[in-house]
Amino acid sequence: RKEVEQDPGPFNVPEGATVAFNCTYSNSASQSFFWYRQDCRKEPKLLMSVYSSGNEDGRFTAQLNRASQYISLLIRDSKLSDSATYLCVVKPSGGYNKLIFGAGTRLAVHP
Amino acid sequence: EAGVAQSPRYKIIEKRQSVAFWCNPISGHATLYWYQQILGQGPKLLIQFQNNGVVDDSQLPKDRFSAERLKGVDSTLKIQPAKLEDSAVYLCASSSLLGLAGGPYEGTGELFFGEGSRLTVL
Repeated sequence: RKEVEQDPGPFNVPEGATVAFNCTYSNSASQSFFWYRQDCRKEPKLLMSVYSSGNEDGRFTAQLNRASQYISLLIRDSKLSDSATYLCVVKPSGGYNKLIFGAGTRLAVHP
Repeated sequence: EAGVAQSPRYKIIEKRQSVAFWCNPISGHATLYWYQQILGQGPKLLIQFQNNGVVDDSQLPKDRFSAERLKGVDSTLKIQPAKLEDSAVYLCASSSLLGLAGGPYEGTGELFFGEGSRLTVL
């Protein structure tokens, strides 16, 4: 089983739609969780951290369910500029800030 | 603030040849990472340095890959001899984190990536 699993998509949605991505992780002792965004042929960049209590940043909401080892990202009112690959990232316990990346979920927002 | 610099951006070689990639992290960042990203996959950690010491190289194919970080700043990643399956983007990243997860210096987890070096092995 992969350490971090994501639905690869692609998710094709119209502008203004709400879309949700899911991610599961295998190591129950994992400590920290993040979503990174990667545009086509570009490097990954941090989108947001995922806190135990859930957190929101504008149109983006991240949630964590430790019991189910599940992370989600919700994007409301999708924009064309949201088209990208969203990478679920997990930091296992221990070690020196080692980050494990999922394969990513591709989102395409169309007019 | 200057970002992570990598070179070359693109490299095409034939199998069994060698190649080297260079990375200059953000000034002051103690931790440096090399990730391999194959098309359609997420980045896979090859090696992680804390200053000039290796803290994780468990997924580095040591029979053909080597990396060093002299003086705790710049780093080079070398592949010799290259195989077809090494075709990928090699991403260098750095972060300012100093210590163990959960310790007093735990950071936010933000890695700053360079633009990557795209390798094609023919």
